[in-house]
Amino acid sequence: EDKVVQSPLSLVVHEGDTVTLNCSYEVTNFRSLLWYKQEKKAPTFLFMLTSSGIEKKSGRLSSILDKKELFSILNITATQTGDSAIYLCAAGSNYQLIWGAGTKLIIKP
Amino acid sequence: DGGITQSPKYLFRKEGQNVTLSCEQNLNHDAMYWYRQDPGQGLRLIYYSQIVNDFQKGDIAEGYSVSREKKESFPLTVTSAQKNPTAFYLCASSIETPGVLFFGSGTQLSVL
Repeated sequence: EDKVVQSPLSLVVHEGDTVTLNCSYEVTNFRSLLWYKQEKKAPTFLFMLTSSGIEKKSGRLSSILDKKELFSILNITATQTGDSAIYLCAAGSNYQLIWGAGTKLIIKP
Repeated sequence: DGGITQSPKYLFRKEGQNVTLSCEQNLNHDAMYWYRQDPGQGLRLIYYSQIVNDFQKGDIAEGYSVSREKKESFPLTVTSAQKNPTAFYLCASSIETPGVLFFGSGTQLSVL
């Protein structure tokens, strides 16, 4: 059965800290790994990764995929209170995305 | 502005009642999806449609129905057969399947 597991489930850090969120997957016919940020309602797209070892970066956020070990990480440096959210990862197979339960990140001022 | 619009934001259902959640997109995307989100769980796929007049069941389709008569619209009906409908419902669309999904703001459904 296809599955995506995110860890930790929740995380509380102080502003300025660096955090690493983990996403492991077991998906038949894997094609891509996606990260989303969900602050209140609509998840917003962060990254899509398809190739191993190539880091994608956007400001203080970066992500990388390891297709041999079947995981991805999302790094956030110099965290701000606006980074507080649920971070979702999803693995894409041929026809659909399989979602992890999410990591709830709380940034304390 | 292009995007996905879901309505209503909040919806209450009485026992035995069918309710319909609206989802409209003006992104010209072929694929549309309905997900259910429960606290502490990942998104679970209810139904998806890759083209007009065609749709497929997802992992938790029982108690739900959909239609796709227009490219822009993909309404979800929660029927009385769905015994535990209280959840947050998200509609999404994408250019291709699978691909990057764009989400609406969701509908919170509760049972009276």
